[in-house]
Amino acid sequence: DTGVSQNPRHKITKRGQNVTFRCDPISEHNRLYWYRQTLGQGPEFLTYFQNEAQLEKSRLLSDRFSAERPKGSFSTLEIQRTEQGDSAMYLCASNPSWEINEKLFFGSGTQLSVL
Amino acid sequence: QKEVEQNSGPLSVPEGAIASLNCTYSDRGSQSFFWYRQYSGKSPELIMFIYSNGDKEDGRFTAQLNKASQYVSLLIRDSQPSDSATYLCAVGLRSGTYKYIFGTGTRLKVLA
Repeated sequence: DTGVSQNPRHKITKRGQNVTFRCDPISEHNRLYWYRQTLGQGPEFLTYFQNEAQLEKSRLLSDRFSAERPKGSFSTLEIQRTEQGDSAMYLCASNPSWEINEKLFFGSGTQLSVL
Repeated sequence: QKEVEQNSGPLSVPEGAIASLNCTYSDRGSQSFFWYRQYSGKSPELIMFIYSNGDKEDGRFTAQLNKASQYVSLLIRDSQPSDSATYLCAVGLRSGTYKYIFGTGTRLKVLA
């Protein structure tokens, strides 16, 4: 159990560029979540996968955001045509159970700065 | 109305005192309740979880849940400066899919 791994840890990009983040969950964790957190706020739910299926996507999420989890293992989150408002910490979390009563295991996050 | 509400603080308590953190939630279908601690620049780490009405104790931490009032709290006894962090309340929902909703967090400062 090596924990949830996120890459890169930091990303600086210019407005209008596309960025992609990767999350490797704890092996055999069937659920994977992406959250976004800005300073002074709690993590905001973005999307959720169960195995390779994306089961829910926040209504607040722009069409510029897309996430995939091919083969139910690692996941990628892509932001197209980045805007300054996209600057945030992007957190990935996973958990192993079919039940709701399971804690989330968080990665260290990817800090995105859009200039 | 936000789904999970917390007072953003900061809540300042002297070292050795009891810190009381509160959280209310709006969805009566909420099934599980979590308290995470988050240090600046770090990811959240689980402190406590509770599923049933009443109290649950773990060391210096006690979580309290009242589903009728849609209220969950966290008590930290003998507060230490190392407890200074942001405490996030999270609620687990099973509404078709499994989702965890976080509050904005309460910033706690324990004064030495």
